[in-house]
Amino acid sequence: RKEVEQDPGPFNVPEGATVAFNCTYSNSASQSFFWYRQDCRKEPKLLMSVYSSGNEDGRFTAQLNRASQYISLLIRDSKLSDSATYLCVVNGIGAGNMLTFGGGTRLMVKP
Amino acid sequence: DAGVIQSPRHEVTEMGQEVTLRCKPISGHDYLFWYRQTMMRGLELLIYFNNNVPIDDSGMPEDRFSAKMPNASFSTLKIQPSEPRDSAVYFCASSLSGRGAWGNQPQHFGDGTRLSIL
Repeated sequence: RKEVEQDPGPFNVPEGATVAFNCTYSNSASQSFFWYRQDCRKEPKLLMSVYSSGNEDGRFTAQLNRASQYISLLIRDSKLSDSATYLCVVNGIGAGNMLTFGGGTRLMVKP
Repeated sequence: DAGVIQSPRHEVTEMGQEVTLRCKPISGHDYLFWYRQTMMRGLELLIYFNNNVPIDDSGMPEDRFSAKMPNASFSTLKIQPSEPRDSAVYFCASSLSGRGAWGNQPQHFGDGTRLSIL
């Protein structure tokens, strides 16, 4: 089983739609969780951290379910510019600041 | 503030040649990471440093790969000799120490080096 698993997609949605991605992780002791965004031929960029109580940043909402070991990202009112690959990231097994990246979920927002 | 700076942005070379990739982390960051990304395998951690010391190099694929961090503001990843299967995008990332043993600081990536071995 992979440490961090995501549905690779692609998710094809129309502008204005609400879309949700899920991610599961295997290490129950993980403490830090993030969503990164990666545009085609660009570097991954931090989208948002994921906190235990859930958190929102504009149209983006992240949720953490420790019992089930999954993380979700909800995007409301999708924009064309949201088209990208979204990477689920969990702090790795062991000490230090090592992170483990999921394979990413590709989102394509259509006009 | 300047982000993570990588050079070169693109490298095309023939197999058997030595390739050196360079990275300047964000000033003040004490962790530095080297990743490789391909369509088939996604983003793979190759090696990471803490305070210029290599901590985990278990992701380095073969002895042909080596990495150094002579000081807090510079790191290199070297491939010698290079092979076509080394073609990928290589990213360098840096971060601050996390709080506690587990660490919870995000990593900041450079633009990457797109490497093609012919």
